[in-house]
Amino acid sequence: NAGVTQTPKFQVLKTGQSMTLQCAQDMNHEYMSWYRQDPGMGLRLIHYSVGAGITDQGEVPNGYNVSRSTTEDFPLRLLSAAPSQTSVYFCASQDGYNYGYTFGSGTRLTVV
Amino acid sequence: GENVEQHPSTLSVQEGDSAVIKCTYSDSASNYFPWYKQELGKGPQLIIDIRSNVGEKKDQRIAVTLNKTAKHFSLHITETQPEDSAVYFCAASIGSGYSTLTFGKGTMLLVSP
Repeated sequence: NAGVTQTPKFQVLKTGQSMTLQCAQDMNHEYMSWYRQDPGMGLRLIHYSVGAGITDQGEVPNGYNVSRSTTEDFPLRLLSAAPSQTSVYFCASQDGYNYGYTFGSGTRLTVV
Repeated sequence: GENVEQHPSTLSVQEGDSAVIKCTYSDSASNYFPWYKQELGKGPQLIIDIRSNVGEKKDQRIAVTLNKTAKHFSLHITETQPEDSAVYFCAASIGSGYSTLTFGKGTMLLVSP
């Protein structure tokens, strides 16, 4: 049982480039979310999804797009990377019955 | 929206001592309060949680207390060990089932041998 899998683990982008951070879970959880973690800022919610075809914005959505075509996958897209998007990104899924969140191991993104 | 404040930002203790991390929340409708431990280079991992109908919950060396009137909750770690060294996050959410979590900014706990 892999849980939540994020790829890649590390990425360096140039300003203006685009990329997709992948997230997949095998626990059949309906709820998935993306957080970014910055020093001294804790974890801030970017986007979330309560099921396939349904997404919504979190606290810091600007510069990011998401889609949810299947229960398992929830990719995060950066359309035009900016240095302010340098961060560690975590994907999580939630068991709606006991509330627990399971996090992936993260993607460390550097935008130069 | 919900706001969660966490203190202290860093905490250093000697092995065997107790450690206490405190959080306050702003929205009285919040009803679920988990604590996460994050080791270096890893994602946060749930270590204990509490719901608003319970005042205290224990799991071996860790315990969480909740004061709904004062809107604060605390994590207590007894008999600390070096492997307890990590960043700890508190969080709060509103509602049942699927819900978004609002996190505190984290506490770096260092346990010295």
